Amino acid sequence: DIQMTQSPSSLSASVGDRVTITCQSSHHISKSLNWYQQRPGKAPKVLIYAASYLETGVPSRFSGTGSGTNFTFTISNLQPEDFATYYCQQYDDLFTFGPGTKVDIK
Amino acid sequence: EVQLVESGGGLVQPGGSLRLSCATSGFTLSNYDMHWVRQPTGKGLEWVSVIGTAGDTYYPGSVKGRFTISRENAMNSLYLQMNSLRAGDTAVYYCARGRWYYGSGSYIVFDVWGPGTMVTVSS
Repeated sequence: DIQMTQSPSSLSASVGDRVTITCQSSHHISKSLNWYQQRPGKAPKVLIYAASYLETGVPSRFSGTGSGTNFTFTISNLQPEDFATYYCQQYDDLFTFGPGTKVDIK
Repeated sequence: EVQLVESGGGLVQPGGSLRLSCATSGFTLSNYDMHWVRQPTGKGLEWVSVIGTAGDTYYPGSVKGRFTISRENAMNSLYLQMNSLRAGDTAVYYCARGRWYYGSGSYIVFDVWGPGTMVTVSS
């Protein structure tokens, strides 16, 4: 089974900040990685697919990079609606989500 | 409008069974892989099962042999039969649509999700 880790598990930031989250897989997964946002009480929403492609309709302040086992997700110019939990997900071998990173207001 | 709505959640005793349903609308169900994902209260997401367009099914080890995913395309419905339930199965259960992209490779996203249905396993 492929295991996913994320860091940090939580962070505090201010509106306008640049935020970076990392995700690591236990096996090489090429670019088979997505990023999701989940607001409290809501279902997840896909933001980035295939490590770096922006899902249609998602603001360009969200971005992703990486391949193999190490991936990075960045929010530039953090907005009030971006305070949420973010999950990475691998789909190279079935599906596994990372444990999540909660972004809250400093 | 593309929509998924889960139902069938509730309180069940350990060892019991429950069948979840996911009503779909706004798209042709037979054209898509469909998934179940669960989330214990205050915790992260766990993928639970997938059923492909050809009816092929896959599960993680945590539910394999206890859960069965099925679909009825003519009824626009997805199901999850859960048997031998344990306290650790307590969670919100989401159905989600899997959409494939084809470009330089094959990519899949869970692009539409239902609001979820709560399953509580407790005596």
